[in-house]
Amino acid sequence: SYELTQPPSVSVSPGQTARITCSGDTLPKQYAYWYQQKPGQAPVMVIYKDSERPSGIPERFSGSSSGTTVTLTISGVQAEDEADYYCRSADSSGTYDVFGGGTQVTVL
Amino acid sequence: QVQLVQSGAEVKKSGSSVKVSCKASGGTFSTYAISWVRQAPGQGLEWMGGIIPIFGTANYAQKFQGRVTITTDESTSTAYMELSSLRSEDTAVYYCEVVVVVAATPRDYWGQGTLVTVSS
Repeated sequence: SYELTQPPSVSVSPGQTARITCSGDTLPKQYAYWYQQKPGQAPVMVIYKDSERPSGIPERFSGSSSGTTVTLTISGVQAEDEADYYCRSADSSGTYDVFGGGTQVTVL
Repeated sequence: QVQLVQSGAEVKKSGSSVKVSCKASGGTFSTYAISWVRQAPGQGLEWMGGIIPIFGTANYAQKFQGRVTITTDESTSTAYMELSSLRSEDTAVYYCEVVVVVAATPRDYWGQGTLVTVSS
């Protein structure tokens, strides 16, 4: 089955930049989406179609894609950005979705 | 604006089935892209399957093929997820998610989650 691979954790100091990677074989062909999830809450989409930001999401969240890896970048990290982040994409046929294992972002 | 309200927590015995509902309000239900996503305690998100009511056919993750059934009732704007042959590893919070595309921009909405506890 298709898999997306993320680092389990990333630590960053306030005001610095956090980068979270997500790797998968079909990412060159399928869009990636990023979700933020805080404890006890449902996920929230922060990036769609690799690099687009939904309305209401702060500009410090950005996404990029290069080959089989997509990256979520949080510039000028704030304490409120501490959360779990998940990438999501589809298999080569576009029929089945899959989530990455998630990355816990800790703001030091 | 779409609002999703899921059914309440369930406690089930191993080997039984559970059916979780997700009632939507706002928007055009038949065109929603509906997914069911679960999250075991302390674990990550797991996509189980999805459906677009106007097309009618659900797609299921390979892991759940044969055990999960996703259906919709357009008359009540409700989506359902039924999981059978429950085992302890199915203990999780189950979410419904709806994606609506407006002017080529997707907007996602999530239910509040339904805790399903499977005991032996």
